[in-house]
Amino acid sequence: AQSVTQLDSQVPVFEEAPVELRCNYSSSVSVYLFWYVQYPNQGLQLLLKYLSGSTLVKGINGFEAEFNKSQTSFHLRKPSVHISDTAEYFCAVSRANTGFQKLVFGTGTRLLVSP
Amino acid sequence: NAGVTQTPKFQVLKTGQSMTLQCAQDMNHNSMYWYRQDPGMGLRLIYYSASEGTTDKGEVPNGYNVSRLNKREFSLRLESAAPSQTSVYFCASSEGPDLGQPQHFGDGTRLSIL
Repeated sequence: AQSVTQLDSQVPVFEEAPVELRCNYSSSVSVYLFWYVQYPNQGLQLLLKYLSGSTLVKGINGFEAEFNKSQTSFHLRKPSVHISDTAEYFCAVSRANTGFQKLVFGTGTRLLVSP
Repeated sequence: NAGVTQTPKFQVLKTGQSMTLQCAQDMNHNSMYWYRQDPGMGLRLIYYSASEGTTDKGEVPNGYNVSRLNKREFSLRLESAAPSQTSVYFCASSEGPDLGQPQHFGDGTRLSIL
């Protein structure tokens, strides 16, 4: 079975500063990895995904993530955050090439951007 | 472009009452899912439907039933609501079968059981 750990429940940061949200996963088989964002009172939206190929993945709103197989990590980064990036971010994993996707989510990291 | 639509958005129930949460998608997706979101626990899968005509249990199915009414609609039923089922419920859909297609989420139903 797959599992995801998001070590930081909350990350405060000042506007225009860089940020990294950490995600580690556990799996004995190949996986797909995802980052979703949830704004207040809304559902989740896909930020980016890693399926295969290049380990550096670029997503929407200037976010990127790097897949590191040896460290089983998929950390999310942004070089300069905006107030509007304040939201909750979820890392998720699914087993690759199974014919059906069952996502396992982490517990989420709340990003708080202040002026 | 509606995407995934959930109704109702809010509901308050008394313990023991029953209720059906509705979900419809207009993206011609094959797969649909129901999750619950609780503070500090992320999203947990309740039930899913890989394709029209099939449903399967997820991580936390107890106390719930589902119906895949047609390709568009997937409902979640609480037969006898309990306070432990107070949560935010999300419906999602994806193209399926899985080749890494993302899931698309509705805005959620906020359910309180008194």
